[in-house]
Amino acid sequence: NAGVTQTPKFQVLKTGQSMTLQCAQDMNHNSMYWYRQDPGMGLRLIYYSASEGTTDKGEVPNGYNVSRLNKREFSLRLESAAPSQTSVYFCATRSYEQYFGPGTRLTVT
Amino acid sequence: SQQGEEDPQALSIQEGENATMNCSYKTSINNLQWYRQNSGRGLVHLILIRSNEREKHSGRLRVTLDTSKKSSSLLITASRAADTASYFCATGSNYKLTFGKGTLLTVNP
Repeated sequence: NAGVTQTPKFQVLKTGQSMTLQCAQDMNHNSMYWYRQDPGMGLRLIYYSASEGTTDKGEVPNGYNVSRLNKREFSLRLESAAPSQTSVYFCATRSYEQYFGPGTRLTVT
Repeated sequence: SQQGEEDPQALSIQEGENATMNCSYKTSINNLQWYRQNSGRGLVHLILIRSNEREKHSGRLRVTLDTSKKSSSLLITASRAADTASYFCATGSNYKLTFGKGTLLTVNP
């Protein structure tokens, strides 16, 4: 089993460009999450999905949209990227503990 | 806002020594979890301690929880160079976990 997979691993965008970060899990978990991690800030929750068909805002949702496509997949979209969105993005799923993907390193210039 | 806060922010020890890091939180919890993050990787779950437990062991890890002081500690005994990583505590209920900013542990060979 792959666990939680994320694509792409690295991405460079120009300000104003859009992109979608993909996440997929094969653990049959209901809950899925998107976090961003910045130096000195720890992990901050962007959006989460408690179950297929539902999504909710986390701590820092501005500038992002999400889609829970099915039970396996949860995507994060940046409609108009800004330099402040330069970060490492992690997808996770949860039973009692959370299982994290390897991360996407995004740079916005 | 962060629920858990780790202390110290950074810790450097020699191989074979014990490492202790602390976590304080603000509101009542059902459980508290500790995670490890190796440089450039996703977080990995280490241990979960429930609010009605005071101490839990897993291999070289010992976690304590004092709900009256709203604090937890993670002890790593007989540390190894491979324990070099950032360690995060996480608290939450229902669907969301909130992570602290982490303690960076460096174990020198």
